[in-house]
Amino acid sequence: DVKVTQSSRYLVKRTGEKVFLECVQDMDHENMFWYRQDPGLGLRLIYFSYDVKMKEKGDIPEGYSVSREKKERFSLILESASTNQTSMYLCASSSASRTLSNQPQHFGDGTRLSIL
Amino acid sequence: DAKTTQPNSMESNEEEPVHLPCNHSTISGTDYIHWYRQLPSQGPEYVIHGLTSNVNNRMASLAIAEDRKSSTLILHRATLRDAAVYYCTPREEYNQGGKLIFGQGTELSVKP
Repeated sequence: DVKVTQSSRYLVKRTGEKVFLECVQDMDHENMFWYRQDPGLGLRLIYFSYDVKMKEKGDIPEGYSVSREKKERFSLILESASTNQTSMYLCASSSASRTLSNQPQHFGDGTRLSIL
Repeated sequence: DAKTTQPNSMESNEEEPVHLPCNHSTISGTDYIHWYRQLPSQGPEYVIHGLTSNVNNRMASLAIAEDRKSSTLILHRATLRDAAVYYCTPREEYNQGGKLIFGQGTELSVKP
């Protein structure tokens, strides 16, 4: 079975802190994604990565950065946490076949992050 | 980004079939339709996907209209564990790595 593991289920941090969210997948997938999910706003893409050391901005990258030093690990960094970054953060991965659209994305259980 | 429309909520009785509809009239010809479901405080779970033909797997069936502007997820015998929010989404081949876009989804409740 596929497995995407996010380091924390729940996290509470203070405004201005640097926050690290870690994600590991065991499926040897090339593509990895970070989303945030908020009531009424649906799922929004923050960053994605095609390969090691490769990253691309999604729809809402402001205030975030990412790191992909190894294929299985994709980290999301909140440079200086703010209250409007309180959200559910979801990591996903998928294979990079010739037909990208034909590949499912597999999600972790999410990290519910609260910034006080 | 492609747009989808789903009913906000549906109810089913346990052991009965459930048909969850989705309209995706702006889908392009090469994009697959994906369905995911999500339980409270959990990450989304992949259910099924397809392009043109009807698809079956151990979780569900997917019926895709001939014009591809709509699809229906079929749970053949609903169980209490199927109560979740169900999302349909085109996975756009050339849009930001094939990102997924979830709308409000359909909240399915299953009565014993």
